[in-house]
Amino acid sequence: DAKTTQPPSMDCAEGRAANLPCNHSTISGNEYVYWYRQIHSQGPQYIIHGLKNNETNEMASLIITEDRKSSTLILPHATLRDTAVYYCIVRVVARDDKIIFGKGTRLHILP
Amino acid sequence: EPEVTQTPSHQVTQMGQEVILRCVPISNHLYFYWYRQILGQKVEFLVSFYNNEISEKSEIFDDQFSVERPDGSNFTLKIRSTKLEDSAMYFCASSWAPRLPLHFGNGTRLTVT
Repeated sequence: DAKTTQPPSMDCAEGRAANLPCNHSTISGNEYVYWYRQIHSQGPQYIIHGLKNNETNEMASLIITEDRKSSTLILPHATLRDTAVYYCIVRVVARDDKIIFGKGTRLHILP
Repeated sequence: EPEVTQTPSHQVTQMGQEVILRCVPISNHLYFYWYRQILGQKVEFLVSFYNNEISEKSEIFDDQFSVERPDGSNFTLKIRSTKLEDSAMYFCASSWAPRLPLHFGNGTRLTVT
C-alpha cells in the first residue's frame, strides 16, 4: 500500500502558486519522494523527485522537510491545464522497483 | 521528446476471448512495466520485466496474464481468457535504469462485454 498521505482535493486560482502537501512520516533513508500527475485518464506523467534536498525543474519545485517526513510540490504559476490528480510516492530506488500509486490529490485550477 | 506508445487506444472484446495489448517503450529503456486502472479507482501495478524475464508481479497478475518482449522494440501484455472485471485502462511504462523515473504511455482502454 501507498506510504503517503495527501488531501483528497484542493483548489487553486489560475496564475497563483499551487502548493500540494504530502506526509510520508515512515519514509526510510533509501527511499526517494516522487511526484506524478494524471490528467483525465491519460497515463501518469512524471513531475519531479528528490531524496533530501529541494529540487526544481521546468515543471515544479519539490520542498522536502529536514526530517524528510513531509514534502510540498509547488506549481509556481498554475494554469487550467494543471488540473489533474497529483500523486506523491515514496520509492526505493534499487533494482527495478515499481511505483505504487495511492489515491492522490485532485487539484482543481479555478479560472 | 521520446515517448511510450500503446496500441490500440481502445479494444473491445468478448468475455473468454484472448487479447494482446501492445507497447513500444522508449528505445534505450531496459525496464518495463504494466499497470491497470479500473474506472474511478487507483492505478495498480501488474508486473515488471527486465532482461527478458519477470522481475516482480502483483497478485492481480495471475495465470491468465503473460508478458513478452518478442523483439527489440515491442512489449506485450496478453490476457488469455478475458473476464468482465478485466475491463480497465492498461498502462505500459518504461525506464532506463532503476534510479530513473518511469515514463508511461497513454494507455489502452479494454472493454470486455
